[in-house]
Amino acid sequence: QVQLVESGGGVVQPGRSLRLSCAASGFTFSTYGMHWVRQAPGKGLEWVAVIWYDGSNKYYADSVKGRFTISRDNSKNTLYLQMNSLRAEDTAVYYCARVEHYYDNIGAFDIWGQGTMVTVSS
Amino acid sequence: QLVLTQSPSASASLGASVKLTCTLSSGHSGYAIAWHQQPPEKGPRYLMKLKSDGSHSKGDGIPDRFSGSSSGAERYLTISSLQSEDEADYYCQTWGTGIHVVFGGGTKLTVL
Repeated sequence: QVQLVESGGGVVQPGRSLRLSCAASGFTFSTYGMHWVRQAPGKGLEWVAVIWYDGSNKYYADSVKGRFTISRDNSKNTLYLQMNSLRAEDTAVYYCARVEHYYDNIGAFDIWGQGTMVTVSS
Repeated sequence: QLVLTQSPSASASLGASVKLTCTLSSGHSGYAIAWHQQPPEKGPRYLMKLKSDGSHSKGDGIPDRFSGSSSGAERYLTISSLQSEDEADYYCQTWGTGIHVVFGGGTKLTVL
């Protein structure tokens, strides 16, 4: 069964850090581009970051550039999002998502995780 | 700049059909999109990928009631024989070199 499971969310003070994880199963993780997408309370979906299937390229939304880092460990079938210098406006549910076709790094998202909530508040 | 525009809300009666629209910004009418469904308090689910020629490929387990079509810069999602569980937010998504990934603002569908 193809599955993505996020973890690591929680309540954190402004300026602090948090690392999210996304555990993949049921498919060959190392051959798919992976993304993080977030959704602030009551708002729409916002793309956050992408990492190439082999980790060779990474791109970020302007809103998180310089503060967030996407990475992956293909030996552990796990995607990460390191979030530093967190702000109140980073409060959201964070989803990981898989690109539809293997070796495509950007495309339609065909598998989504269930999400993990991050709340930035003092 | 690539922008996807969706109406904030739509409604239709149980058993009826509804057509949701996602409009690509000027100069981007050749882009493919994906449609995603997000039920209340749940994560998104992939429905289909829809190309500019109207051809589409659906995700696993997506009922035949869901179909897609295209006309110029507009991409449509038609849901027929509406059921209560179709009440959800619907998002379109597109992608490309340089723009990476863009989402529309979403349409909240109410089944009456």
